[in-house]
Amino acid sequence: GAGVSQSPSNKVTEKGKDVELRCDPISGHTALYWYRQSLGQGLEFLIYFQGNSAPDKSGLPSDRFSAERTGGSVSTLTIQRTQQEDSAVYLCASSLLGPTGYGYTFGSGTRLTVV
Amino acid sequence: SQELEQSPQSLIVQEGKNLTINCTSSKTLYGLYWYKQKYGEGLIFLMMLQKGGEEKSHEKITAKLDEKKQQSSLHITASQPSHAGIYLCGAEPNTGNQFYFGTGTSLTVIP
Repeated sequence: GAGVSQSPSNKVTEKGKDVELRCDPISGHTALYWYRQSLGQGLEFLIYFQGNSAPDKSGLPSDRFSAERTGGSVSTLTIQRTQQEDSAVYLCASSLLGPTGYGYTFGSGTRLTVV
Repeated sequence: SQELEQSPQSLIVQEGKNLTINCTSSKTLYGLYWYKQKYGEGLIFLMMLQKGGEEKSHEKITAKLDEKKQQSSLHITASQPSHAGIYLCGAEPNTGNQFYFGTGTSLTVIP
């Protein structure tokens, strides 16, 4: 597709359940980022994939969070045993390789609500 | 789809010069966020504007949201090489569950 696609757009889950969020980046974009946006707060970096390199997981808030990127394209963010504080909009972005000054393209996010 | 227009796409300025980056939406915004990304690093939250006419400053960076809450400008005074990076605006529309970003402005400051 022309843009970054995220699914589902909305997810309501019960506390303690696992959830999977999906991101389809723009074809050919080697860099993929996951961010979390809580209401009224800044964007929180979660994880960064660049090509075949080991991902930068430094932003993952706990071991309940994990992410994969298969075949250098689609990425899945998994949250196990969800808690209410996990409620947020989860955003995925992709960009061309390297510090060339090109901007990001963000998906429109998955709004996760844990009840 | 991208709902925010950001301009200019790139900017090269001499150190010490002032500059302005604009972010325009076709929809009234609930909240407007400004971020900065240094090359190869994660996004850094700069500030959030929510009220029409609101203005906030952080060090030499000032952001304003217009009265109609459809346009924001980011102004840097006396730019320094440390200001270099990509500036992104992001916004929440009044309704719906989505969060939109502009395509970014790449800023280069020449010493």
